[in-house]
Amino acid sequence: DGGITQSPKYLFRKEGQNVTLSCEQNLNHDAMYWYRQDPGQGLRLIYYSQIVNDFQKGDIAEGYSVSREKKESFPLTVTSAQKNPTAFYLCASSIGAGSAYNEQFFGPGTRLTVL
Amino acid sequence: QQPVQSPQAVILREGEDAVINCSSSKALYSVHWYRQKHGEAPVFLMILLKGGEQMRHEKISASFNEKKQQSSLYLTASQLSYSGTYFCGTATNTGNQFYFGTGTSLTVIP
Repeated sequence: DGGITQSPKYLFRKEGQNVTLSCEQNLNHDAMYWYRQDPGQGLRLIYYSQIVNDFQKGDIAEGYSVSREKKESFPLTVTSAQKNPTAFYLCASSIGAGSAYNEQFFGPGTRLTVL
Repeated sequence: QQPVQSPQAVILREGEDAVINCSSSKALYSVHWYRQKHGEAPVFLMILLKGGEQMRHEKISASFNEKKQQSSLYLTASQLSYSGTYFCGTATNTGNQFYFGTGTSLTVIP
């Protein structure tokens, strides 16, 4: 079955620690995205990537970093510089680079809690 | 740039109809609609493109008023399975400037 996997489902982190969230897709999609979801605020874009070895900042990129070394993988690192990292993180992909007219497929999400 | 959705929440009885609105202050190229069940990933419903036709997904349809930069989602004869949070996503051009709204919580009760 084709789809997007995220791991882990739940993640606990101590303040001051970096943590990496995994996102893998086997849909052969070119574009991948990371969103953060907080209660009552919808989905906010952190980073997106249209092709391998290239990515762009979204609206709330501060305190986060990404890499796109392989087409199927787009890991997100939440660094200690992120002031309020507790949230639900969603990874998505779309077949083409233009998100305006391409459906996005979402992974199941990772719920990060900072203790 | 984030679109505004209304209402924020709505409760329906099974079989009733509902309308969810999505408005932007910018000229839109496309509007997407997604539904998210509690604790799950959003699932795509439909895309409306500038100059395109009204779309339908089962008993859910949507319209796109380009002049008003608005889209409306119409849920007809609602079913229990329609419960969830509905998000619109808007694009102002053909690239990757894409923004999700704050969501509308829909609860269908028997």
